[in-house]
Amino acid sequence: NAGVTQTPKFQVLKTGQSMTLQCAQDMNHEYMSWYRQDPGMGLRLIHYSVGAGITDQGEVPNGYNVSRSTTEDFPLRLLSAAPSQTSVYFCASSYRQGLETQYFGPGTRLLVL
Amino acid sequence: RKEVEQDPGPFNVPEGATVAFNCTYSNSASQSFFWYRQDCRKEPKLLMSVYSSGNEDGRFTAQLNRASQYISLLIRDSKLSDSATYLCVAYASGTYKYIFGTGTRLKVLA
Repeated sequence: NAGVTQTPKFQVLKTGQSMTLQCAQDMNHEYMSWYRQDPGMGLRLIHYSVGAGITDQGEVPNGYNVSRSTTEDFPLRLLSAAPSQTSVYFCASSYRQGLETQYFGPGTRLLVL
Repeated sequence: RKEVEQDPGPFNVPEGATVAFNCTYSNSASQSFFWYRQDCRKEPKLLMSVYSSGNEDGRFTAQLNRASQYISLLIRDSKLSDSATYLCVAYASGTYKYIFGTGTRLKVLA
């Protein structure tokens, strides 16, 4: 099992550009989520999904879109990048939400100029 | 007020010391709790789940106090390799969201 994989590892964008952060898991997990981590702020939930075709917003969804067409993949789209979106992004998954622990991907470091 | 709060530290302790962290949560519907460990510039990794009766894993002990709405993590006989940030997580039934604290930084000194 590869676990949770994320690509790219690093990315530099200019303000206004769009991009997609990829996340995939091979553990047949139902629940997947995206977080951003900023100094002093901890991990904040952007969007989550409880299964294929079902997504919902977390604490900080503005400026981001997600979709879940398959159980394995949960891409995060930045529509028009802003410097405030400079952060480290983590994808996580768990078999079911709540009682199960989450497994995290290695993260994507994003710098928006 | 943050939904899950932790003292950011850092806690600087000598090798072999015992150190304890607390974490408070505000949502009384929280039902599942976890401690994660995060090394610098790495992803969080599960240290242990926290059960109502308390649980122990080697040098690590986790406790839950529902009446006062806090969880704790005790590390005995600290090792240099325990230096990391420890994240407290709470999950409230029906929210579908894991809420993270900002983390407590531990430095174990030789």
